[in-house]
Amino acid sequence: DARVTQTPRHKVTEMGQEVTMRCQPILGHNTVFWYRQTMMQGLELLAYFRNRAPLDDSGMPKDRFSAEMPDATLATLKIQPSEPRDSAVYFCASGLARLNEQFFGPGTRLTVL
Amino acid sequence: TQLLEQSPQFLSIQEGENLTVYCNSSSVFSSLQWYRQEPGEGPVLLVTVVTGGEVKKLKRLTFQFGDARKDSSLHITAAQPGDTGLYLCAELFFGNEKLTFGTGTRLTIIP
Repeated sequence: DARVTQTPRHKVTEMGQEVTMRCQPILGHNTVFWYRQTMMQGLELLAYFRNRAPLDDSGMPKDRFSAEMPDATLATLKIQPSEPRDSAVYFCASGLARLNEQFFGPGTRLTVL
Repeated sequence: TQLLEQSPQFLSIQEGENLTVYCNSSSVFSSLQWYRQEPGEGPVLLVTVVTGGEVKKLKRLTFQFGDARKDSSLHITAAQPGDTGLYLCAELFFGNEKLTFGTGTRLTIIP
């Protein structure tokens, strides 16, 4: 049963702390996306990778957010330092280029106090 | 930036009733996808529509793409509690795979 997995599922931290969220894309998928979902802004694209190379991170605050793919089985999204306004659900999705379907993970619910 | 407005924002109806939700854009869509998201989960793709006037059916769900490709609707017949969830439309830009999501319709089906 191929699924995108994300860890942790829930994270509560204090303002100023570093937060790292991890994603394991579906084996064989070559495109990985990071989204953020809030009640006010809805679902927004933060960044995406193809074949581990960043293609677009224009939706991501550059001063505190960073996204990487150390290898084909792991994508990370890091926030340093975290702020209360970063509280949201962060989704990772993976897909195959040109097949136009993204498979979403269950999300990481982040609360920054 | 294209703005995708969905209506209604919230909808609560009795099991067995029919309903329609809408997705409208300020400009022409490249193509449009509909997703359903259940609590605690990520969105799941339901359908992709590409051609103006296109109609696709998925069991009790009927998706329609406007002739001018600036709007889309999702009609559910005989709604069931399992249809409860957040319905999202999203524009897909062919060639770069980026999705821009709408504001969502939160649907509750009351048994």
